Amino acid sequence: AQSVAQPEDQVNVAEGNPLTVKCTYSVSGNPYLFWYVQYPNRGLQFLLKYITGDNLVKGSYGFEAEFNKSQTSFHLKKPSALVSDSALYFCAVRDNAGNMLTFGGGTRLMVKP
Amino acid sequence: EAQVTQNPRYLITVTGKKLTVTCSQNMNHEYMSWYRQDPGLGLRQIYYSMNVEVTDKGDVPEGYKVSRKEKRNFPLILESPSPNQTSLYFCATRGQGALEQYFGPGTRLTVT
Repeated sequence: AQSVAQPEDQVNVAEGNPLTVKCTYSVSGNPYLFWYVQYPNRGLQFLLKYITGDNLVKGSYGFEAEFNKSQTSFHLKKPSALVSDSALYFCAVRDNAGNMLTFGGGTRLMVKP
Repeated sequence: EAQVTQNPRYLITVTGKKLTVTCSQNMNHEYMSWYRQDPGLGLRQIYYSMNVEVTDKGDVPEGYKVSRKEKRNFPLILESPSPNQTSLYFCATRGQGALEQYFGPGTRLTVT
């Protein structure tokens, strides 16, 4: 069975500082990895995905994520955080043969001015 | 505008009273799915559908039913709701060959 772990319930960062939201996964076969963001009272929005190729993936709103196969990780990063980045972030995994997407428990990002 | 709509957005009901949450999409997507979101558990998949008349169970299907009679609609049915089904529900879709999903705005259900 596939699984995703987001070890931090909350990440606090000051505006302008770099941010990292951690994600590790377990899946049989080659993974498809995703990050979604949820703003208050809204549905999830797609940020970025990794399928194959370059380990550094760039996405929306200046976010990027680094795929590390040996550590089975897919951490979300941004060089300079904005207050408007404050939201709930979800990592998700799907194996390349399946149709089910498995989500982590979510990490709340708080960016303080 | 590409949209996934859900109705109702908020619902308070009592144990055992059958209810349906509707999901509709205007993107002609083949794949549709239902999730429930609970604090600390992330989103868990309830049911999904690869196309009309094709549905399959997700991780937490107990207590739920779905149907896919038309491509654009994928209703979630709770025949006899119980308090442990109090949750935030999301419908999602994706096109054939695509990987990322588009999510609806959510339905907050409270069962007393």
